[in-house]
Amino acid sequence: NAGVTQTPKFRVLKTGQSMTLLCAQDMNHEYMYWYRQDPGMGLRLIHYSVGEGTTAKGEVPDGYNVSRLKKQNFLLGLESAAPSQTSVYFCASSSGYNQETQYFGPGTRLLVL
Amino acid sequence: ELKVEQNPLFLSMQEGKNYTIYCNYSTTSDRLYWYRQDPGKSLESLFVLLSNGAVKQEGRLMASLDTKARLSTLHITAAVHDLSATYFCAVDYRVYGGSQGNLIFGKGTKLSVKP
Repeated sequence: NAGVTQTPKFRVLKTGQSMTLLCAQDMNHEYMYWYRQDPGMGLRLIHYSVGEGTTAKGEVPDGYNVSRLKKQNFLLGLESAAPSQTSVYFCASSSGYNQETQYFGPGTRLLVL
Repeated sequence: ELKVEQNPLFLSMQEGKNYTIYCNYSTTSDRLYWYRQDPGKSLESLFVLLSNGAVKQEGRLMASLDTKARLSTLHITAAVHDLSATYFCAVDYRVYGGSQGNLIFGKGTKLSVKP
């Protein structure tokens, strides 16, 4: 099992450009999450999904959109990147059953100039 | 709004010493998670604490949960250099009555163990 994978690993964008981050999991998990991590901060939830075709806002959703067209994939989009979106983005998944922890991907480093 | 506070945020300790990291949270929750993050790496699950009084141990690390005090501790016994990392606690925050809530993370405790 690959677990949770993310592509790309690193990306540089100019202000105003758009991009999509891809998260894939092979554990048949129902729940998937996108977080951002900034220096000196913990992880903050951007959006999450409790199943195929569903998405919901987290703590810091502004400037991001998501889609969950297939159970194993969760996409995070930036329509018009801003320097404030420079961060490390982590995807996570969990089974949705009570008590289980979340499993995290390796992260995507995004720099917006 | 659920707030999660860890202290200390930075901890430098000598090998062989003991220390405790504290995680306080502001509203009712009976599920708490501890994660470890090495520099430039992802998060690795350490402990899942699911009820008041829960205690879990793995090697030199022991975690406990007191839901009445809204406090979890991560105790390090006889620290070794390999434990150097950032440790995060995360509290389950239920929304919409779902079966699994979202996690609210503390800011992390950066631990450095020196010879």
